[in-house]
Amino acid sequence: DADVTQTPRNRITKTGKRIMLECSQTKGHDRMYWYRQDPGLGLRLIYYSFDVKDINKGEISDGYSVSRQAQAKFSLSLESAIPNQTALYFCATSDLWGGDTQYFGPGTRLTVL
Amino acid sequence: EDQVTQSPEALRLQEGESSSLNCSYTVSGLRGLFWYRQDPGKGPEFLFTLYSAGEEKEKERLKATLTKKESFLHITAPKPEDSATYLCAVQVADRGSTLGRLYFGRGTQLTVWP
Repeated sequence: DADVTQTPRNRITKTGKRIMLECSQTKGHDRMYWYRQDPGLGLRLIYYSFDVKDINKGEISDGYSVSRQAQAKFSLSLESAIPNQTALYFCATSDLWGGDTQYFGPGTRLTVL
Repeated sequence: EDQVTQSPEALRLQEGESSSLNCSYTVSGLRGLFWYRQDPGKGPEFLFTLYSAGEEKEKERLKATLTKKESFLHITAPKPEDSATYLCAVQVADRGSTLGRLYFGRGTQLTVWP
C-alpha cells in the first residue's frame, strides 16, 4: 500500500462549488503539506501543518482552507471553486527528526469549469 | 528573493548518451538541496538530498553533486525508463520556525529514446 494516499484522484467541478481533497499517510510523519502544481510554474506551497494543533499558511493560501483531523489526515478545501484553481494538487509529509525530506502523494487533478 | 532555476527546460537523449541537468540557486540559509523525479500524472518521487558543497550522491545511473551556487544531476548511459521530469528544490530555514520551506524549480523534462 502507498504511504501517502490522496482522494479523489480526479475531480471535475463547477465554479462556486465547495470541494474537499483528502490526504492520508501511514508513514507516521508529524508534518504534512499541500501544494499545487501548474504547468510552467512548478510546485507552490498552499498550507502546512506541524501537528494537529499547528496549521500555517503557505505562499498561496487565498481561496483555500485546511483541516488536520488527526496526525495521519490532512484535508484541503476550496470553499468556492474558481477556474484558476484548476491544477494538480499534491499532499506531502515529512519528519523533522528524519531529515525533513518531503514525500509526496500521487496527486489530485482538479478541473473547475 | 530566493530563486531556483533549472536548465535545460527539456532534453532529448539517445539511449546511452550521458548528460547533465543543472539547478542553480540564489538563497540564503540553505538547509539542503533535493532532487525529485516526476512521471506524468504522478507525484514527485524523492531521489537525493545534498547538504553541503562538495557532497555527491549516487543511485544507479544518476549522480547528484552540489556546489555553493548550483547542483548537477549527471545521467550516465541513460535508458528509456529514465524519461521523466526531474525537479530540483532548495530547502531554506524559515524565520522563527523549524519549517524547512522548499522552493522548487520548474523542472527539466528528459526524454531518452532507443
